[in-house]
Amino acid sequence: GQQLNQSPQSMFIQEGEDVSMNCTSSSIFNTWLWYKQDPGEGPVLLIALYKAGELTSNGRLTAQFGITRKDSFLNISASIPSDVGIYFCAGRGIGGSQGNLIFGKGTKLSVKP
Amino acid sequence: EAGVTQFPSHSVIEKGQTVTLRCDPISGHDNLYWYRRVMGKEIKFLLHFVKESKQDESGMPNNRFLAERTGGTYSTLKVQPAELEDSGVYFCASSYSSGNTIYFGEGSWLTVV
Repeated sequence: GQQLNQSPQSMFIQEGEDVSMNCTSSSIFNTWLWYKQDPGEGPVLLIALYKAGELTSNGRLTAQFGITRKDSFLNISASIPSDVGIYFCAGRGIGGSQGNLIFGKGTKLSVKP
Repeated sequence: EAGVTQFPSHSVIEKGQTVTLRCDPISGHDNLYWYRRVMGKEIKFLLHFVKESKQDESGMPNNRFLAERTGGTYSTLKVQPAELEDSGVYFCASSYSSGNTIYFGEGSWLTVV
């Protein structure tokens, strides 16, 4: 089946640093989504991407839908302690139903004040 | 507006017992989804309801899992009999019929011992 390779698995950074994480796949996706999960909470949508090449920002977050439609990255600029959590990429494949999202394994972000 | 609510938040049961998880979607959301994340793995899609109908149940692991959404409102996911490998967090999510934003609940954490 379709799989997403998300990296890095975890990151330990200093407050104020920029962060970059990405997801790649051998399959084409027609939607890329980035979620964040805080401890004890469910995933919350950060950014949704629908077109190849699309670059979208949400505050300090920027994400791009790769031209090949097989990858996406998420950047966080000037990290702050509340950025701590697990970040998941998710894709919706060609012909996939609306809710049949394929998730990466997550990137656990730790921010040191 | 209330978000997606799930009950119970945590459950510990013995192997062979039955557990029923409940999900109340956001009011007015026709689409309801179940996902789960077992330890160390990615979040995986289980199934998708549109109102009371199963739109896509391709992710259901086996016939020990039964999902229902009678009346098209809340949904239940029953695991019977539970096995050790069923341990993990079960997320419910919902969305409007034509929207792409899927809102997740906080998850039901299941431990089978």
